[in-house]
Amino acid sequence: QSVLTQPPSVSGAPGQRVTISCTGSSSNIGAGYDVHWYQQLPGTAPRLLIYGNSNRPSGVPDRFSGSKSGTSASLSITGLQAEDEGDYYCQSFDNTLSDSGLLFGGGTKLTVL
Amino acid sequence: VQLVQSGAEVKKPGEPLRISCQASGYSFTNYWIAWVRQMPGKGLEWMGVIYPGDSDTRYIPPFQGQVTISVDKSINTAYVQWSSLKASDTAMYYCVRRYNSAIYGNYFDYWGQGTLVTVSS
Repeated sequence: QSVLTQPPSVSGAPGQRVTISCTGSSSNIGAGYDVHWYQQLPGTAPRLLIYGNSNRPSGVPDRFSGSKSGTSASLSITGLQAEDEGDYYCQSFDNTLSDSGLLFGGGTKLTVL
Repeated sequence: VQLVQSGAEVKKPGEPLRISCQASGYSFTNYWIAWVRQMPGKGLEWMGVIYPGDSDTRYIPPFQGQVTISVDKSINTAYVQWSSLKASDTAMYYCVRRYNSAIYGNYFDYWGQGTLVTVSS
């Protein structure tokens, strides 16, 4: 079981807004460590979607946004499109883990209805 | 930046295997390279990381002793190898560049296309 907890699935209709949560604890997100998000479309490798809580790499549409508060972070997708369907993972650092301390959330499957 | 991985493998239990990841488009020795496992229908688990500049290698506890991560700086290539595969090693394996940001911490900014390893008798 991952130390970063994500909902197993979320869904939304085209054009709608969905939010994916990533809940941690005082040893990771709550300790001030940044959260990063990855998108994995069906049959493809993951790609970096958001880094440093809310920053988008070049090429990522501004429909994707991230935020962090307390021991949780969120990824929001506005204007949902069919091509957004896939799996989304959060990632952060935990200071109780050995060597490097990086960890992924369990992932959330986004279904576009 | 590109990370190009070797092709899919089908192996029998007990066989050895080494898969590769060739980097291009950046200074290979200046960034950590990680390996990430994704078992069928499951999430991402990172296995370990290596710094090509000096081959400093760190393993996540579940993978310590199970795999060996290495690099060949002369050809900008990272490897992960198994001495004796098990059926439970069946998974997609990704090599990933780890970016160390002084501001935002560590994250994985470039991913290889993945290498599917199937272990079956």
